[in-house]
Amino acid sequence: EDQVTQSPEALRLQEGESSSLNCSYTVSGLRGLFWYRQDPGKGPEFLFTLYSAGEEKEKERLKATLTKKESFLHITAPKPEDSATYLCAVQRPGGYQKVTFGTGTKLQVIP
Amino acid sequence: EAQVTQNPRYLITVTGKKLTVTCSQNMNHEYMSWYRQDPGLGLRQIYYSMNVEVTDKGDVPEGYKVSRKEKRNFPLILESPSPNQTSLYFCASSFGGMGLGTGGNGYTFGSGTRLTVV
Repeated sequence: EDQVTQSPEALRLQEGESSSLNCSYTVSGLRGLFWYRQDPGKGPEFLFTLYSAGEEKEKERLKATLTKKESFLHITAPKPEDSATYLCAVQRPGGYQKVTFGTGTKLQVIP
Repeated sequence: EAQVTQNPRYLITVTGKKLTVTCSQNMNHEYMSWYRQDPGLGLRQIYYSMNVEVTDKGDVPEGYKVSRKEKRNFPLILESPSPNQTSLYFCASSFGGMGLGTGGNGYTFGSGTRLTVV
């Protein structure tokens, strides 16, 4: 069965303290891996798409990387406004819309 | 402003009373999808649509219906709601598929509908 597991469930960082979030997957024939940010009471907001092992994408303080088994979302020198839940999703074979989400990592950045 | 609009934002209803949650997008997206989000379970796909009159089941379709008569609208219908359908629902749309061959635009999500069935 396809699985997407995110760790840790929650992470508390001091402002400026860099760290990484993990998304491991067991999907055969991965077609794409996505990262989203979700603020309380809002819908997820798209961040990145990664297609193949070795690929990297960056946006401001965020950098996403992909291997054959997992993806990392690196947060460099985070600020309080980076506090949110970060979701990972994988697109699996069977159609464009066959997408499985992880349960997310809730990040809190303390000033 | 490019957006996905869901209505209502909050809804409390009783078991068995049919309801519809509307979803509309103004980006001319071909692909639309419904998800429910529950604590500890994450976002789970209910139904999706690749274009007008083309819909298919996601992972948790039981108890739900959808229709896609117009490109911009994708309503979610609960014919006989039950308490286990109490959840936070999100509609999403994308240009082309989620990733392959389309530049990987990902979904644009609506703001959510919090449904409580008593």
